[in-house]
Amino acid sequence: KAGVTQTPRYLIKTRGQQVTLSCSPISGHRSVSWYQQTPGQGLQFLFEYFSETQRNKGNFPGRFSGRQFSNSRSEMNVSTLELGDSALYLCASRGATYNEQFFGPGTRLTVL
Amino acid sequence: ILNVEQSPQSLHVQEGDSTNFTCSFPSSNFYALHWYRWETAKSPEALFVMTLNGDEKKKGRISATLNTKEGYSYLYIKGSQPEDSATYLCAFISGNTGKLIFGQGTTLQVKP
Repeated sequence: KAGVTQTPRYLIKTRGQQVTLSCSPISGHRSVSWYQQTPGQGLQFLFEYFSETQRNKGNFPGRFSGRQFSNSRSEMNVSTLELGDSALYLCASRGATYNEQFFGPGTRLTVL
Repeated sequence: ILNVEQSPQSLHVQEGDSTNFTCSFPSSNFYALHWYRWETAKSPEALFVMTLNGDEKKKGRISATLNTKEGYSYLYIKGSQPEDSATYLCAFISGNTGKLIFGQGTTLQVKP
């Protein structure tokens, strides 16, 4: 079974631009969650999508948005990028065992 | 605001030493606690999914215990090896969702 894939792996943008990250979950998994990891902050929950609907949202500004397609693939969009958005963005698909998360390799976003 | 605390923040031990880490979480609305191992340049990988008070789980030299009434979990590594060097994260779930609240992690460095 293929694991969670994320594209692109690395991205460099400048302030004010917008960015879209993509995540494909493990086949058969319908839930995708997104996390942001910055130095000193640990993994912070962004949002969760299940069957194309946002189920949960973390404490992030409205510049962070996402969506999920009928094939369970998910995209995350960040508009009007700020320097502080530089981070590793991980997505995870949820297994059946008490919501065990299977993480992708992440997208490293650098905002200059 | 749900808070998950891990201690210590970092740990340096010699090969062969045994060690343990602590994860503290809210004792109310408990659904599950996860332990993840995150090696540099890799994705976080689930070690244990713990759900019942008094749970004890073991995988090789690594084991974990759970106390949901007082809100803590311990992770033990017996006879640490250099390949155990990683960041160990615990994550609390308060309901049947994909929203995990992560601690800051404990970074373990095992010297040969």
